[in-house]
Amino acid sequence: GAVVSQHPSWVICKSGTSVKIECRSLDFQATTMFWYRQFPKQSLMLMATSNEGSKATYEQGVEKDKFLINHASLTLSTLTVTSAHPEDSSFYICSASLDEAFFGQGTRLTVV
Amino acid sequence: DAKTTQPPSMDCAEGRAANLPCNHSTISGNEYVYWYRQIHSQGPQYIIHGLKNNETNEMASLIITEDRKSSTLILPHATLRDTAVYYCIVRTRSNSGYALNFGKGTSLLVTP
Repeated sequence: GAVVSQHPSWVICKSGTSVKIECRSLDFQATTMFWYRQFPKQSLMLMATSNEGSKATYEQGVEKDKFLINHASLTLSTLTVTSAHPEDSSFYICSASLDEAFFGQGTRLTVV
Repeated sequence: DAKTTQPPSMDCAEGRAANLPCNHSTISGNEYVYWYRQIHSQGPQYIIHGLKNNETNEMASLIITEDRKSSTLILPHATLRDTAVYYCIVRTRSNSGYALNFGKGTSLLVTP
């Protein structure tokens, strides 16, 4: 089946720094990718929709200047958490879909 | 997309069938039932989907009631590796990118 690869799997960063997470569709092209966030013992919450060649669209309450999304090619979307703070610590997951939705492995971000 | 209701948790003995119910009483005629699961600290994984007929694949079977207001995901011989949160999601089918609305799911614990 189709594969979505996410990198890194985990990252620890200092408060105030920025972190970039990559999401790649390995064997198909995705004009649209999605970024979710999951806090402990909670379900996945959609953060934003990444659109190839155009601006991302963000869900209500998600700061677009804090979570920068770039979708420069049909197989790569990146999420940059800028000026990270401990409350940004979470599990970030990307997704792309054909008939079914395929998900990356997730990135565990810990901000210290 | 129609709302779904699932029990928060279930237990199943290893080797036995795990039957996970889902209610979707407001499902509309063109909406499919999708099942995903999320093993701890991983991205969600597609399991199966169906419209009105029962479906089976190498992972599971999906039984949809005749009125389509509920369904059951069956894992015929549960293993310890099937311990995960299982999400039942109802949505229209699309060949283009789409996000999923994850509810709280059912946390399945398979015990030795």
